[in-house]
Amino acid sequence: AQKITQTQPGMFVQEKEAVTLDCTYDTSDPSYGLFWYKQPSSGEMIFLIYQGSYDQQNATEGRYSLNFQKARKSANLVISASQLGDSAMYFCAMRAPLTGTASKLTFGTGTRLQVTL
Amino acid sequence: AAGVIQSPRHLIKEKRETATLKCYPIPRHDTVYWYQQGPGQDPQFLISFYEKMQSDKGSIPDRFSAQQFSDYHSELNMSSLELGDSALYFCASIKSQGLGTEAFFGQGTRLTVV
Repeated sequence: AQKITQTQPGMFVQEKEAVTLDCTYDTSDPSYGLFWYKQPSSGEMIFLIYQGSYDQQNATEGRYSLNFQKARKSANLVISASQLGDSAMYFCAMRAPLTGTASKLTFGTGTRLQVTL
Repeated sequence: AAGVIQSPRHLIKEKRETATLKCYPIPRHDTVYWYQQGPGQDPQFLISFYEKMQSDKGSIPDRFSAQQFSDYHSELNMSSLELGDSALYFCASIKSQGLGTEAFFGQGTRLTVV
């Protein structure tokens, strides 16, 4: 069974600072994908970044980067230069195995990020 | 770029009524997932379809059913609604072949049962 753990229920960061949101995972499948989503108060689930288990380099998308440490089974999201609009709930999710047609996205419990002035 | 379309965005129903939620996945995406997210909760997997066939089933009540049609759109049918069914319902579409790097959600349908 797949499991995603996000141990930070809430985080505060000052505007323009960087922040790291933690995510650890557990799976026995060698092929898996890790996703991060942002959910603002309006409710939509916005895809941020993806990391495949076989990817050699850490994924980056603009101000978002993923610190992927395969041996430690962690996939932390780093947001650089935080903005007030980054205040939201952030979910880490995993899909394993990647090649399976029946493999669902399993979510963590989320981290609520608050960006302050 | 086309996104996942869900309708309606908001729905208010009374107890014991029936609701139908619709999802139109991204073109060429072959897999659709349905999730239920209660207030302050993480999304819980309900059911998925691959190429119009049910591929996996999660914690979906027997009162709920879903299907995917020939045009790949999917519908979640909910009967005998209960107060506890009030939640945000998401549909996500994925291109499962290859690396599965695309996993996008619709804006959700907020169902309120009164």
